[in-house]
Amino acid sequence: KQEVTQIPAALSVPEGENLVLNCSFTDSAIYNLQWFRQDPGKGLTSLLLIQSSQREQTSGRLNASLDKSSGRSTLYIAASQPGDSATYLCAVRGPNAGKSTFGDGTTLTVKP
Amino acid sequence: GAGVSQSPSNKVTEKGKDVELRCDPISGHTALYWYRQSLGQGLEFLIYFQGNSAPDKSGLPSDRFSAERTGGSVSTLTIQRTQQEDSAVYLCASSLRVAGGPDTQYFGPGTRLTVL
Repeated sequence: KQEVTQIPAALSVPEGENLVLNCSFTDSAIYNLQWFRQDPGKGLTSLLLIQSSQREQTSGRLNASLDKSSGRSTLYIAASQPGDSATYLCAVRGPNAGKSTFGDGTTLTVKP
Repeated sequence: GAGVSQSPSNKVTEKGKDVELRCDPISGHTALYWYRQSLGQGLEFLIYFQGNSAPDKSGLPSDRFSAERTGGSVSTLTIQRTQQEDSAVYLCASSLRVAGGPDTQYFGPGTRLTVL
């Protein structure tokens, strides 16, 4: 059974800092890994998806990496802004490309 | 439509009543997924459709829960004889499912279900 852990559970940083969010998973047989953000009372917004054969993906100030052998992914946010404040979720898709297993998320607060 | 839509956005019901939650996926997306997010808990998988078939329904918590998808598009999640522990936000997602493609999941805004 896949288990996904996100550390830290909460993070507070001043505006402008670079930061790293961590996601670890127990079963390396995955189809892909997707990072989402969730704003309070809202649905999930897709940020980045890394396919099983890839090592990293970049979009703007965001960079996500994947190391299947160690069961880890990181989401790097450069030059953080108050608008980045949200909960960030990591989702690991199983090998049959069906269900995703989610971590509990990291709640990020960026202070002006 | 441009994104995944769900209805109703909010549903308040009494214990023991049946409820139906609807999901309209992005046009052309062949895969559809239901998840739920309970207060203080993470997102848990319920069921996955490929076309009108459900290859994985392992996350449905009891036989009070069922789901169907018709015409490869709209899906309905039905909860019979609702219980207070069914209170949660029910989220639907869809993906294009092209062989070898990234298969990004796109989520709807969710239906908040409250069972009194």
